Amino acid sequence: QVQLVESGGGLVKPGGSLRLSCAASGFTFSDYYMSWIRQAPGKGLEWVSYISSSGSTIYYADSVKGRFTISRDNAKNSLYLQMNSLRAEDTAVYYCARVRIVWLNPMIVVVDAFDIWGQGTMVTVSS
Amino acid sequence: DIVMTQTPLSSPVTLGQPASISCRSSQSLVHSDGNTYLSWLQQRPGQPPRLLIYKISNRFSGVPDRFSGSGAGTDFTLKISRVEAEDVGVYYCMQATQFPLTFGGGTKVEIK
Repeated sequence: QVQLVESGGGLVKPGGSLRLSCAASGFTFSDYYMSWIRQAPGKGLEWVSYISSSGSTIYYADSVKGRFTISRDNAKNSLYLQMNSLRAEDTAVYYCARVRIVWLNPMIVVVDAFDIWGQGTMVTVSS
Repeated sequence: DIVMTQTPLSSPVTLGQPASISCRSSQSLVHSDGNTYLSWLQQRPGQPPRLLIYKISNRFSGVPDRFSGSGAGTDFTLKISRVEAEDVGVYYCMQATQFPLTFGGGTKVEIK
């Protein structure tokens, strides 16, 4: 079955680093765009980052730009999020999600929705 | 950034009765391609979000037909025709018309 499993969360001190992973199965990972979304404790959802199927197109939320790096390894069916210079406000459950896209033409895609979500991994930034 | 505003914050509903959630965007969600990339997600307690509706009114695979979406431009609605116990949770709207992708603050559906 289609599945996304995140790992790598934990407790880290402010200014520290953490690398999250998302293992995909049940679908052809290399065909899909992927994204990270986070949810602070008791709060709503915040989109973090997005990567195209080849890795050539990447976007970040302003709140993480310059500190977080999204990447993927299609041979390993895996998505990653390298998080540096972590702050208390980065404390959240981090979800990876598969992106539904619409092809406008062979060169241009549009994001439609997030159709498959992982269970999430908790990141706590605290001294 | 496009701001998504949901109302109400909370919706106590009697089992078997309808529920309605509103989502308003700070600017039109009509994309240059003519589509409107507004989706709805459900998050049951302790669970990750789950896609219910995409492009305003298209039910995702496996979603019961008691869920329906409607709207246009800046105003959208999710309706549950007859609420069941398993529908308890928080519902989010999300726009994907423009980066950054943004979510509404959520509406909690609970049973009276």
